[in-house]
Amino acid sequence: AQSVTQLDSQVPVFEEAPVELRCNYSSSVSVYLFWYVQYPNQGLQLLLKYLSGSTLVKGINGFEAEFNKSQTSFHLRKPSVHISDTAEYFCAVSLYNQGGKLIFGQGTELSVKP
Amino acid sequence: EAQVTQNPRYLITVTGKKLTVTCSQNMNHEYMSWYRQDPGLGLRQIYYSMNVEVTDKGDVPEGYKVSRKEKRNFPLILESPSPNQTSLYFCASSSLRLAGVEEQYFGPGTRLTVT
Repeated sequence: AQSVTQLDSQVPVFEEAPVELRCNYSSSVSVYLFWYVQYPNQGLQLLLKYLSGSTLVKGINGFEAEFNKSQTSFHLRKPSVHISDTAEYFCAVSLYNQGGKLIFGQGTELSVKP
Repeated sequence: EAQVTQNPRYLITVTGKKLTVTCSQNMNHEYMSWYRQDPGLGLRQIYYSMNVEVTDKGDVPEGYKVSRKEKRNFPLILESPSPNQTSLYFCASSSLRLAGVEEQYFGPGTRLTVT
């Protein structure tokens, strides 16, 4: 069965430090990959996506992610975080030719401290 | 402005009283979907629709109904709500690529409490 695992439920980090949020997926078919961000009391918005092509994907707010097919991972990184990056981050996969089924990870709460 | 709207934003109701949460998008998207968000569980897909009159179950469809009579609207119906349906609900829409779902646009959420 397909699944998405975000390996850390909470990541505390100091301002201006680098951060990596980890995402692994399990799927027997090819996938599209997404990272979404949810700021407190808001809906979700897209950070970045991988559909095809270059495996290094750049998104908004200085975030980037790398698709690693052999390790079935799509980790999110930022070299220097700000207080305003405090939010919950969700990894998601859309399965090729499987209709409209989408699977989200459990979420990672990023907490940036001064 | 491109957006997904949901109503109501907050709803407190009692067990067994039928309710409908509306969802509307103005982007002419083929794909629409409903999710529930619960602490520690992330977002779980309830139902989705690939186009008008085409709907399918997600991972947690029990206790919910949907309909897609028009492209822009995708209401979520709880015929007989129970306390375990207390949750934060999100509607989303997306265009479709040949092989799958593109990025989704989310509504602001509906916080439902069933007592």
